[in-house]
Amino acid sequence: NAGVTQTPKFQVLKTGQSMTLQCAQDMNHEYMSWYRQDPGMGLRLIHYSVGAGITDQGEVPNGYNVSRSTTEDFPLRLLSAAPSQTSVYFCASSYSSTGFPDEQYFGPGTRLTVT
Amino acid sequence: AQRVTQPEKLLSVFKGAPVELKCNYSYSGSPELFWYVQYSRQRLQLLLRHISRESIKGFTADLNKGETSFHLKKPFAQEEDSAMYYCAPRLLRGGGADGLTFGKGTHLIIQP
Repeated sequence: NAGVTQTPKFQVLKTGQSMTLQCAQDMNHEYMSWYRQDPGMGLRLIHYSVGAGITDQGEVPNGYNVSRSTTEDFPLRLLSAAPSQTSVYFCASSYSSTGFPDEQYFGPGTRLTVT
Repeated sequence: AQRVTQPEKLLSVFKGAPVELKCNYSYSGSPELFWYVQYSRQRLQLLLRHISRESIKGFTADLNKGETSFHLKKPFAQEEDSAMYYCAPRLLRGGGADGLTFGKGTHLIIQP
């Protein structure tokens, strides 16, 4: 199993540009989520999904969109990049028998810089 | 508001010394608690969870409901323990499911 994969590993955007961060998992996990990691702020939840077709907002959703058309994929879209979105982005997935995430498996991260 | 607090951003101890990374949460129910670790240039991974009551890499964590704490402890630190540690209670918001709420993390440095 590849586990959780993320592409790209690094990305530089200019303010106002849009892009999609890709996340895929091959563990048949229902639960998937996106976090951003910033110095001194820890990990903050952006969006999450409890299954295909179902998404919800986390702590810091503004400026980001997600969709979950398949169990495997959970892309994160930046609509109009801003310097405040410079961060490291982690995708995670977990098995969930109750709708609540169990142990989360993380991807390697995408380091995004917005100039 | 429900929150998780890791009061130390940075903790530096000498090899062989005891380690305690603090985690406090505010939650009225019965949360499930996890500790995650991120070693240098590696992805985050689960270290341990309180319901399993196991020791991983010499670390243990006890849930203290009275003090609403879930401190991570190890009696004798090793250099390979240097990493970022995140406490993550699984909290509920608005009655619905939520992702794990992570603390801000503690950077543990083990000095030789």
